[in-house]
Amino acid sequence: NAGVTQTPKFQVLKTGQSMTLQCAQDMNHNSMYWYRQDPGMGLRLIYYSASEGTTDKGEVPNGYNVSRLNKREFSLRLESAAPSQTSVYFCASKILAGGSNEQFFGPGTRLTVL
Amino acid sequence: ELKVEQNPLFLSMQEGKNYTIYCNYSTTSDRLYWYRQDPGKSLESLFVLLSNGAVKQEGRLMASLDTKARLSTLHITAAVHDLSATYFCAVSGTTSGTYKYIFGTGTRLKVLA
Repeated sequence: NAGVTQTPKFQVLKTGQSMTLQCAQDMNHNSMYWYRQDPGMGLRLIYYSASEGTTDKGEVPNGYNVSRLNKREFSLRLESAAPSQTSVYFCASKILAGGSNEQFFGPGTRLTVL
Repeated sequence: ELKVEQNPLFLSMQEGKNYTIYCNYSTTSDRLYWYRQDPGKSLESLFVLLSNGAVKQEGRLMASLDTKARLSTLHITAAVHDLSATYFCAVSGTTSGTYKYIFGTGTRLKVLA
């Protein structure tokens, strides 16, 4: 049981390049989330998927797109990277309803845009 | 709008001392969470608090929730070096018709030997 996995762990892009961050979970969770964390700040929600087939904008969605490929996988795409998108990106997942509503986080992707 | 404020932002304390981190949130929330993050690592869930008056303890950490005051505290008892980390609180709830998670900015704790 790997939990939440993310690839790649590190990435350096030039301004204007595109890339996709991958996230997968093997806990049969319904909901998945993408956050960014900037130095000295908490996590800010970019996009989330409450269940397979749905996606919604979070607090800071501009410059990003997402795809909920299936129940396990939720990807985040940067179409034209900008230096302001330099950050650490975390994916998380949780059961849709009931229980503690606890989110489980992946190890993060450290992205630098030059 | 759902907002979360933590204080202090930085905390340097001696081993063996007690201290409390505070988390205030702005509107009704259905759950409050505490996470720990070590440098360069992901977030580890510590506590989930569901109702008014809830108290949870794990080792030297104890979290409590007062929903009427919209306040949660994370109390550290007899701190040890291993507790050095950044601690985040977060709340979940519906804002503008959408279910969201909002995180505080974190409290960076350093325990000095």
